[in-house]
Amino acid sequence: EIVMTQSPATLSVSPGERATLSCRASQSVSSNLAWYQQKPGQPPRLLIYGASTRATGIPARFSGSGSGTEFTLTISSLQSEDFAVYYCQQYNNWPPAFGPGTKLEIK
Amino acid sequence: EVQLVQSGAEVKKPGESLKISCKGSGYTFTSYWIVWVRQMPGKGLEWVGIINPGDSDTRYGASFQGQVTISADKSISTAYLQWSSLKASDTAMYYCARTLTTDPYSWFDPWGQGTLVTVSS
Repeated sequence: EIVMTQSPATLSVSPGERATLSCRASQSVSSNLAWYQQKPGQPPRLLIYGASTRATGIPARFSGSGSGTEFTLTISSLQSEDFAVYYCQQYNNWPPAFGPGTKLEIK
Repeated sequence: EVQLVQSGAEVKKPGESLKISCKGSGYTFTSYWIVWVRQMPGKGLEWVGIINPGDSDTRYGASFQGQVTISADKSISTAYLQWSSLKASDTAMYYCARTLTTDPYSWFDPWGQGTLVTVSS
């Protein structure tokens, strides 16, 4: 079973700055990785799939990169609405697994 | 518009049974898998299990095998998650979501609004 880890657990960034979130898989998942954003009281929202493809309606300031075991979600210029928890999910191996999440908070 | 609408919040006692639902609309319900995800209070996302509504092929996460049952009624485009004997540790928000491919190896979108299950004596 693949184990997903995310770092850091909490990231403090000022509005307008860049945020870089990391996700690591315990073995290769190729490019079969998705990113989700979750705000309090809301369901997760798909941001990225295929490691780097933005979902419909997702702003261009969100970008994903990586393959194999190392992945990155970058938010180029943080807006107030971007402060949330971000989860990665692999879907290359059974069972699909989520990472523990990174909380992005306002500095 | 593709949409998943879940049943409302539930408050139950330990040992009681429960069945929550997830109704799909705006797409061919039998063409995509439905996944159930648990989120305990203040915690992350856990994969409960997944079902193909077309043939009822169902798979469970290791922690949930034998603890819950996932089913679907394709005639009314609805998937279900049920417990025969609830425990306090089942208290959580439960989300359903749809795969974006026709196999279970997929990312998930859209998500239902969630069903809060509270188990307390």
